[in-house]
Amino acid sequence: EVQLLDSGGGLVQPGGSLRLSCAASGFTFNNYVMTWVRRTPGKGLEWVSTISGSGDKTYYVDSVKGRFTISRDNSENTLFLQMNSLRVEDTAIYYCARDRTTVTSYWFDPWGQGTLVTVSS
Amino acid sequence: EIVLTQSPATLSLSPGERATLSCRASASVDIYLAWYQQKPGQAPRLLIYDTSYRATGIPARFSGSGSGTDFTLTISSLEPEDFALYYCQQRRNWPLTFGGGTKVEI
Repeated sequence: EVQLLDSGGGLVQPGGSLRLSCAASGFTFNNYVMTWVRRTPGKGLEWVSTISGSGDKTYYVDSVKGRFTISRDNSENTLFLQMNSLRVEDTAIYYCARDRTTVTSYWFDPWGQGTLVTVSS
Repeated sequence: EIVLTQSPATLSLSPGERATLSCRASASVDIYLAWYQQKPGQAPRLLIYDTSYRATGIPARFSGSGSGTDFTLTISSLEPEDFALYYCQQRRNWPLTFGGGTKVEI
């Protein structure tokens, strides 16, 4: 069974840092593009970042460029999102998601259960 | 950035009725549009990709249509478990973008 387990969320002050993890199982991790998507109260779902299977290509939404870094450890089947200089508007539930197939499509299936990040003083 | 506008924001229907959800793109996305369902406390689930292909395990009552800038998700006969939030998403251009969502409620 394919499983994605998100973790690492929590309460952090503006300007702080957090590192999210997504532990994958049930599939050959390095064959799949992986993505982080967040859900905010006001804006619904927002794509955050995507990484290729080998980790050599990364993509970010403009609002997190220079602050967030996506990475992966294919030996440990784990996806990461390092979040620095956090802002109040980064408050959201963060989901990791796998590409639907090994042929890159940028359709997300399945998703992790999400981890809540709250940025507040 | 391609903006996706979903309408209506809320759709109030009864079980057994037909639901028609709209997603309009600010520029052409060709056929590169997907639909997701999200229930409270759960992760989103892929329903439809490439405009009209059902994802694995999705019932036939869900169908998608459209091309270019106008797309529709149709639920032919609502089941109680279909009352949820629905989002569209495009992959034609970076950044990948989602619509604001349509809530299907009883």
